[in-house]
Amino acid sequence: SQKIEQNSEALNIQEGKTATLTCNYTNYSPAYLQWYRQDPGRGPVFLLLIRENEKEKRKERLKVTFDTTLKQSLFHITASQPADSATYLCALDPWAGNNRKLIWGLGTSLAVNP
Amino acid sequence: KAGVTQTPRYLIKTRGQQVTLSCSPISGHRSVSWYQQTPGQGLQFLFEYFSETQRNKGNFPGRFSGRQFSNSRSEMNVSTLELGDSALYLCASSLGTRDSSTDTQYFGPGTRLTVL
Repeated sequence: SQKIEQNSEALNIQEGKTATLTCNYTNYSPAYLQWYRQDPGRGPVFLLLIRENEKEKRKERLKVTFDTTLKQSLFHITASQPADSATYLCALDPWAGNNRKLIWGLGTSLAVNP
Repeated sequence: KAGVTQTPRYLIKTRGQQVTLSCSPISGHRSVSWYQQTPGQGLQFLFEYFSETQRNKGNFPGRFSGRQFSNSRSEMNVSTLELGDSALYLCASSLGTRDSSTDTQYFGPGTRLTVL
């Protein structure tokens, strides 16, 4: 079946370390993949989008990679801070961007300890 | 610029009742999408409205319906509530261009619906 998977276990890391979150998908050939952050009681906030022809994308301390051969995206937060603690969601559009039917992962909870 | 607002924030209903949720998009945004979020299924797309017309629809039963007004505000209605409808309902607004890869969605805080 078609699905998108993220680390189900919460990730606990020490402040200042790099957090790496994984998003794997099967049976899709998405044109792009998106990463969002969601805090408790809030809606998701868009962070980064990476297209199939891009290997890597950066925004401040965030870095996303996209390997269409492995069908995997990695999301890195460098020099992590306690304020980075949240749930991170990945989402892909299997219909090449012409509608809103994004497929979402369940998210990975990240806790950055001071 | 004010963000996306949703009302009410919390709602408790019993099985068989119906409920209406409201979403006010960011000023200037013409697209409103609705999502259901549960721990087991994650975010699932319900439907999208653009200029008062439903433009996209997810795989939910007809008990889930929506509409959009001329000021882009949107409402979602769920009739004959079931226990499984308990979830966080999120709406997201955007400009509404056809290319969702460039048309960033801005989410509201959600309405937490509990069905007893």
